[in-house]
This record gives sequence, C-alpha cells and structure tokens, in this order.
Amino acid sequence: DAKTTQPPSMDCAEGRAANLPCNHSTISGNEYVYWYRQIHSQGPQYIIHGLKNNETNEMASLIITEDRKSSTLILPHATLRDTAVYYCIVRVAGYSGGGADGLTFGKGTHLIIQP
Amino acid sequence: GAGVSQSPRYKVAKRGQDVALRCDPISGHVSLFWYQQALGQGPEFLTYFQNEAQLDKSGLPSDRFFAERPEGSVSTLKIQRTQQEDSAVYLCASSLANRGNSPLHFGNGTRLTVT
Repeated sequence: DAKTTQPPSMDCAEGRAANLPCNHSTISGNEYVYWYRQIHSQGPQYIIHGLKNNETNEMASLIITEDRKSSTLILPHATLRDTAVYYCIVRVAGYSGGGADGLTFGKGTHLIIQP
Repeated sequence: GAGVSQSPRYKVAKRGQDVALRCDPISGHVSLFWYQQALGQGPEFLTYFQNEAQLDKSGLPSDRFFAERPEGSVSTLKIQRTQQEDSAVYLCASSLANRGNSPLHFGNGTRLTVT
C-alpha cells in the first residue's frame, strides 16, 4: 500500500506556480520523499527527492514540513508540457537488498495546466 | 547520456504465445527493477536485480513470468503462454545503487497487448 495521500486531480493556469500537496503522516525518520511524474505514453520521470531539508533543482522545489508529515512540490512557472500524473512516494533510506526498497506508487495527482 | 532503453516499444501477442521484453539500463547502474502498469493505475513492482543477482521476485504474478540479467547489464523479462490479463505496460528502471538516495530512472516501457 502507498504510504502517501494526494488529491486525484488539480488544475493550474499556464505561467502560474503549481503547488502539489502530499500527506505522508506515517513517514519514518529514515524515509525519503520522492516525486515523479508521468506524461501520457512515457515512463515515470524523476523530479526531485528530499529527506528533511527543502530541495530545489532545475525542475522544481520540494518543501517538507518540519514534522515531515507532509510536503509540497512546486513547479514555479507551469507550462502546458507539465500536464501529467504526479506521484509522491516515500522510500526507505537504508538498504535491505530487496525490491521493496524501490518505489511503491499510488494513484498520484493528475495535474492539468490550462492555457 | 543515454537513458534506459526498452524494446520493443509495442508488442501484440496472441494468447498462448511467449514474449520477451528487453531492457538496456543506464551504463554502470547496479540496480535494475521491472514494473507492470495496468491502464489507469500506477506502476507495480515485479522484480529486482542487483548486478546479475535476482534478489527479489516477489511481485511476479505467476510462474509464467521470468526475468534474467545474466551479465549484470541488459535484462530480459519473459512471459510464457501469455494471457489477456497480461496486457499492460512493462517498465524497466535502473539506479546507481539500491538505497534511498539513489533515484530510479525509467524507460518508456513496452506496451503488451494480448489478443
């Protein structure tokens, strides 16, 4: 079972910031928060991940609350090409040699960028 | 650099036929994962390799599914005696190491249709 909760869909106007929320209230201290997105007919694309601190890269920013029970992915200037399903995933930081250390996907948020 | 490459991109098989799906991971990536994605759902874990060793095959739905990675690089997912319920997109992902700080990078998948 996915350990995250996301809204099933969201709209955002082109050029505005898209803020995608994720709840992970049962996250453990050794689990990372990962974000992927999947555009139709493509494989999931890695966006960003973080453990405790906020993170930023060329694609997005990740804001993690101090208690780590929720996070927000921010796409600063959304374009039509950002329309996709966005997955928030928690992943254990350690290593046990098993596939369960990979990614467990939920249903994600379908983000629709409106022109 | 080159990403994860999967072939064929599309495969149509008649029920009962055997199929083989190929994955070329990113060069130097130790970990390789296979996922199955049904229409409208998130990807689901099938199996995991570390180099040539298959360390976790707990997600394989039946003994008709078999995966190998004999030289620790290219991997093949084989499905014997295909059934209609096997119709899905099969995704391959690789990562530098299997630990929480090492993102998985996905290919664009093979869409299998069993008629």
